[in-house]
Amino acid sequence: EAGVTQSPTHLIKTRGQQATLRCSPISGHTSVYWYQQALGLGLQFLLWYDEGEERNRGNFPPRFSGRQFPNYSSELNVNALELEDSALYLCASSKYRDGSNTGELFFGEGSRLTVL
Amino acid sequence: AQSVTQLGSHVSVSEGALVLLRCNYSSSVPPYLFWYVQYPNQGLQLLLKYTSAATLVKGINGFEAEFKKSETSFHLTKPSAHMSDAAEYFCAVSDPGRDDKIIFGKGTRLHILP
Repeated sequence: EAGVTQSPTHLIKTRGQQATLRCSPISGHTSVYWYQQALGLGLQFLLWYDEGEERNRGNFPPRFSGRQFPNYSSELNVNALELEDSALYLCASSKYRDGSNTGELFFGEGSRLTVL
Repeated sequence: AQSVTQLGSHVSVSEGALVLLRCNYSSSVPPYLFWYVQYPNQGLQLLLKYTSAATLVKGINGFEAEFKKSETSFHLTKPSAHMSDAAEYFCAVSDPGRDDKIIFGKGTRLHILP
C-alpha cells in the first residue's frame, strides 16, 4: 500500500512569489492535514480537509490556503511568500468516520520550502 | 482549546539507560493523546496512542506511556535506550469532537550517548 506522497520534495522561491505544494493521501483516507515545521517551533497546524471541505484552520494568515480534490488529494498554496515561510511542510492523512477522527495520522516526508 | 507542553527540547541519555520524555496537556474534555517519532529527513510515525481505554499504553520499539488525569500528563518511557532511538519525539493531543484538529508539542530531541 502506498503511503502519503508529497511533491515537490524541495522548492526554492523568492519573496513575493507563490508556492504550491501537493499531497496524495493513503488510499481510503478522506482526511488531509497540513502542518508547518519551522526550526524550533515544532509542528504548527495549518489546515484540515475532509471530504472536500475545510474542517478547521490554524492561526495563519489568509495567504495560506488550500483545497481538497474529489480524489482526496490536496493542495497547499502560499501566496506573497515571506522569508519566514521557509519551513518543512508536512501533509498527513487519516480516516474519519462516524463523526470521530481516530487521531492516527500518517505523514508524508514533507516538502521543504526555501524563500530567498 | 487544547494544548500540549513538552518539557526539554533536548534530552540526552546513555545507551541502556531509562528514557523519560515529558508531556503535559491541556484539554477541556477527555482527550486523545499521541506520541510520534521523527527520524532525520523523514515524516512522523505513530509510536503509541491513548484513546480512553487502558491508562498504560504500549507502543512500538519498546516504548510505553501512562495517562495520568490528575497530573494532566502523558510521559513517554523506555526501560533501556538504544542508539537507534535517537530521533525527535512529539507529543500530540486531540479533542475527540467535531473540531478535533490534532495539536503537536514543540518536540524533544533525544540523544543517545555511547
